Amino acid sequence: GAVVSQHPSWVICKSGTSVKIECRSLDFQATTMFWYRQFPKQSLMLMATSNEGSKATYEQGVEKDKFLINHASLTLSTLTVTSAHPEDSSFYICSARDRGGYYNEQFFGPGTRLTVL
Amino acid sequence: AQSVTQLDSHVSVSEGTPVLLRCNYSSSYSPSLFWYVQHPNKGLQLLLKYTSAATLVKGINGFEAEFKKSETSFHLTKPSAHMSDAAEYFCVVEHYGGSQGNLIFGKGTKLSVKP
Repeated sequence: GAVVSQHPSWVICKSGTSVKIECRSLDFQATTMFWYRQFPKQSLMLMATSNEGSKATYEQGVEKDKFLINHASLTLSTLTVTSAHPEDSSFYICSARDRGGYYNEQFFGPGTRLTVL
Repeated sequence: AQSVTQLDSHVSVSEGTPVLLRCNYSSSYSPSLFWYVQHPNKGLQLLLKYTSAATLVKGINGFEAEFKKSETSFHLTKPSAHMSDAAEYFCVVEHYGGSQGNLIFGKGTKLSVKP
């Protein structure tokens, strides 16, 4: 089946540093990838949608200069949290839509837990 | 606008007894609805989906859900719970209004299974 990986699975960083999270579709091509944020014991909130080769579309309230998204190929999207602060600590989950599959089915990665000290 | 409401934040059942996780939706269109499961520290796995075909949808691991338009509900059921079913379950509706087909998640229901 369609597999999406994320790297790293967890990361701890100091306040003010930047962190990059990778999302890869391992066995399919993904023209569209999504980035979600999940707070403890809460639901997933969509942060942004990225299409291969174009700029990401951010949801209202998400700072595009803080959460940089790059979707350079059909199998890789990256989320960079710039100048991270403790309030950015969260569980970040990506998903990808199979280019050749059911148009609105998304396959989710295992998530990345970010802790900012 | 589309939305989903999961009526229970936590459901506890005994192993071997039926499972019922409730979900109500709101949508101006004929919705596409999904149930996802999330085990601790793991990604989300699709259990089943409704896309305006049969109203009774069968999914993986013995789960099924019935789409009831008159009640705007899409409850998830399983006849007999297994210990491995303990997880967080999300009811999801597809968001219309753009070309992306974004998903809107409910707040989740934590299912506990007692031996």
